[in-house]
Amino acid sequence: AQSVTQLGSHVSVSEGALVLLRCNYSSSVPPYLFWYVQYPNQGLQLLLKYTSAATLVKGINGFEAEFKKSETSFHLTKPSAHMSDAAEYFCAVGGSNYKLTFGKGTLLTVNP
Amino acid sequence: KAGVTQTPRYLIKTRGQQVTLSCSPISGHRSVSWYQQTPGQGLQFLFEYFSETQRNKGNFPGRFSGRQFSNSRSEMNVSTLELGDSALYLCASSLQTGSDTGELFFGEGSRLTVL
Repeated sequence: AQSVTQLGSHVSVSEGALVLLRCNYSSSVPPYLFWYVQYPNQGLQLLLKYTSAATLVKGINGFEAEFKKSETSFHLTKPSAHMSDAAEYFCAVGGSNYKLTFGKGTLLTVNP
Repeated sequence: KAGVTQTPRYLIKTRGQQVTLSCSPISGHRSVSWYQQTPGQGLQFLFEYFSETQRNKGNFPGRFSGRQFSNSRSEMNVSTLELGDSALYLCASSLQTGSDTGELFFGEGSRLTVL
């Protein structure tokens, strides 16, 4: 079975500050890990994905995530937050069962 | 390239009615998945289809069903609607060339309100 835990349902940062969104996963098989972003009244858009090629994964809009097997973590970071980053972020784990298991999501607020 | 298209975007039904939601995947994508999103439960997997075959099903009652057509378009149906079925229903398509879970491309969703 697979599961995802996102620590913090709501994270608030100032514009220009570091963004850190936490994700821990549980998987009985080598995982495929994803971060998706959802803007209001829209579907989910892929930010980045880990598929075992490299532990540091770079995504769109300046986001990156590091896969740490020993910590079963896949935290999302961005050095400098922008107002347009305000959205809900979902971490997800996939395997060989044709589905993604999502975390509960983290709502990111960016203050001017 | 057109994205995933879901129709209708918004709909209101009453308890006991049934609803059919439609999804057109990205051209060339043969895998279509459906997810239910609610504030309380988050994103929950409903089912996945590939070449008209259901390959996986989530833990939902039999009132929830789906199908995929030969052109990869998919529909899901919910019968005997309950208040708790109010949710955003998201469809996603994928190339799914292997046995692993590939990158999903999501539509904007169909927001169902049950009164």
